[in-house]
Amino acid sequence: DIQMTQSPSSLSASVGDRVTITCQASQDISNYLNWYQQKPGKAPKLLIYDASNLETGVPSRFSGSGSGTDFTFTISSLQPEDIATYYCQQYDNLPTFGQGTKVEIK
Amino acid sequence: QVQLQESGPGLVKPSETLSLTCTVSGGSISSYYWSWIRQPPGKGLEWIGYIYYSGSTNYNPSLKSRVTISVDTSKNQFSLKLSSVTAADTAVYYCARFLVGAKGGWYFDLWGRGTLVTVSS
Repeated sequence: DIQMTQSPSSLSASVGDRVTITCQASQDISNYLNWYQQKPGKAPKLLIYDASNLETGVPSRFSGSGSGTDFTFTISSLQPEDIATYYCQQYDNLPTFGQGTKVEIK
Repeated sequence: QVQLQESGPGLVKPSETLSLTCTVSGGSISSYYWSWIRQPPGKGLEWIGYIYYSGSTNYNPSLKSRVTISVDTSKNQFSLKLSSVTAADTAVYYCARFLVGAKGGWYFDLWGRGTLVTVSS
């Protein structure tokens, strides 16, 4: 099974800061990596698919990059409404999720 | 637009079978893959399995012996059964559409609101 290592597990940043989250796969998954945002008490929401494609309607401050085993998710300018937990998810054979990164405002 | 809604008992006794249904509204269940995902309180997401509208399935190996996912295209619904439940199966259960992208990657693009199922006597 492919394991996903997501880091950090939590972070605190100021409004306007650039925020970066990484996800590492235990083997090459090409660009089959997606990112989700989950706000408290809500279902996850797809933000980025195929490593770097922005889902329709998602603000452009969110972006993703990477291929193979190393991937990065970036919020270019953190906004108060971005407070959430973010998950990566791979699909090579069966879907698996990263452990999540809780983003808080400093 | 397409919406998903989970339904079923919120409380299940240990050793019994958890049964949930996801109703798809605003669009057809046909031509898509559909999935169940769960999240224990305060923890991360775990994929349970998926089903194609034609009935073919694939399950998480860690749950495979206890899981059955079925589809009823006439009702635009798909269902989850998880047998022999324990307290470890207490979680919010989500249904979701599982979509393949242009480059071959698969992702969950639509989600239900989720339903909390507690396993307790």
